[in-house]
Amino acid sequence: DTEVTQTPKHLVMGMTNKKSLKCEQHMGHRAMYWYKQKAKKPPELMFVYSYEKLSINESVPSRFSPECPNSSLLNLHLHALQPEDSALYLCASSHGAMRDFSYNEQFFGPGTRLTVL
Amino acid sequence: LAKTTQPISMDSYEGQEVNITCSHNNIATNDYITWYQQFPSQGPRFIIQGYKTKVTNEVASLFIPADRKSSTLSLPRVSLSDTAVYYCLVGGLNTGFQKLVFGTGTRLLVSP
Repeated sequence: DTEVTQTPKHLVMGMTNKKSLKCEQHMGHRAMYWYKQKAKKPPELMFVYSYEKLSINESVPSRFSPECPNSSLLNLHLHALQPEDSALYLCASSHGAMRDFSYNEQFFGPGTRLTVL
Repeated sequence: LAKTTQPISMDSYEGQEVNITCSHNNIATNDYITWYQQFPSQGPRFIIQGYKTKVTNEVASLFIPADRKSSTLSLPRVSLSDTAVYYCLVGGLNTGFQKLVFGTGTRLLVSP
């Protein structure tokens, strides 16, 4: 199984709502990532988890709260978002071991298309 | 992290070979070069990676000159389904993960 799944595929929320995005992988990967991608722009890294610990936070506003409950699951909790946060949110995973560089190929999920009204 | 520069867009026809060049003048000694492909509304997909000289897999070839300040992704005999955005990334390993910084990418359009 070389798949990263993301739910939901689409999400519409108001600025006062609380919602969560979910990402799951069963490849035994120990590094997981959240990216944000606006239309016709490249993906931008938000967070990196390595062995279930937050390793990188790219100065993301606190209205985005990541969580890694176990090695297979990554969540992104959303609260009080702004319309400009509307984007495609991508999750990725990689092996996470300091070995051959190829083990760190990142596998991306299909993304969640988020619209904030 | 080394900054990359790629052409914004390229056009080709089915059956042709496409070469996309990426410039990375500030590449560090321990940096690898990686290319990803992205279709609309999908996550990027790994294509190929290399450190120096030439790397080939079933999908593409990657040519890296001795000074490593640039690299060229070669797609042999493209088809309509190769229409996508291609990203060149440069970076090294961190402990247990890799931080990817995507550049603007090259939008490839393959026509019949």
